[in-house]
Amino acid sequence: QQPVQSPQAVILREGEDAVINCSSSKALYSVHWYRQKHGEAPVFLMILLKGGEQKGHEKISASFNEKKQQSSLYLTASQLSYSGTYFCGTGGGADGLTFGKGTHLIIQP
Amino acid sequence: EAQVTQNPRYLITVTGKKLTVTCSQNMNHEYMSWYRQDPGLGLRQIYYSMNVEVTDKGDVPEGYKVSRKEKRNFPLILESPSPNQTSLYFCASSQLHFGAGLTYEQYFGPGTRLTVT
Repeated sequence: QQPVQSPQAVILREGEDAVINCSSSKALYSVHWYRQKHGEAPVFLMILLKGGEQKGHEKISASFNEKKQQSSLYLTASQLSYSGTYFCGTGGGADGLTFGKGTHLIIQP
Repeated sequence: EAQVTQNPRYLITVTGKKLTVTCSQNMNHEYMSWYRQDPGLGLRQIYYSMNVEVTDKGDVPEGYKVSRKEKRNFPLILESPSPNQTSLYFCASSQLHFGAGLTYEQYFGPGTRLTVT
């Protein structure tokens, strides 16, 4: 079953912050975040494996709440290069990942 | 350079004409998957493979076949394509790594845009 992402789309000015949420109706053991630029393949951002774990990648960080079966991706002081579609994925074993429908992020100058 | 390659990148075909999209990875990964991407639906898994000769259905397998005769290759076969298979297709490979911590990263190919008329 696909995880649910919110919001579907966000439009920000450069320098503003954004939060993208991912929730699942199934128990989560890991959450994976990817970013896809228009016309390109998705690119790995980070994986979170433990409940409550937070990880960071440049000014992009994420948290994972195992009990609530949720993860959030935080983009701080957004840059134009952050524009794209963000996907969360669950699973991550031999059977691959199940992705959410994506959140479109548009950063305007 | 670690990469996943797909061919062709673009394909326009007619209903019912069998086609194969090739996928190859040079990272010696055991796990490979095929996804299709449609507007508003995200990435949906078609088939996956855990190793040579081991494949299984994903979420949307109808109308597709795969094979895994070699570890590096995982072709996607459409025996009788239909217009509802018009989509953007991605092949991906991955591996679990147990080092300083458990890591898992899925590498995607560049995508194949298929149009079936």
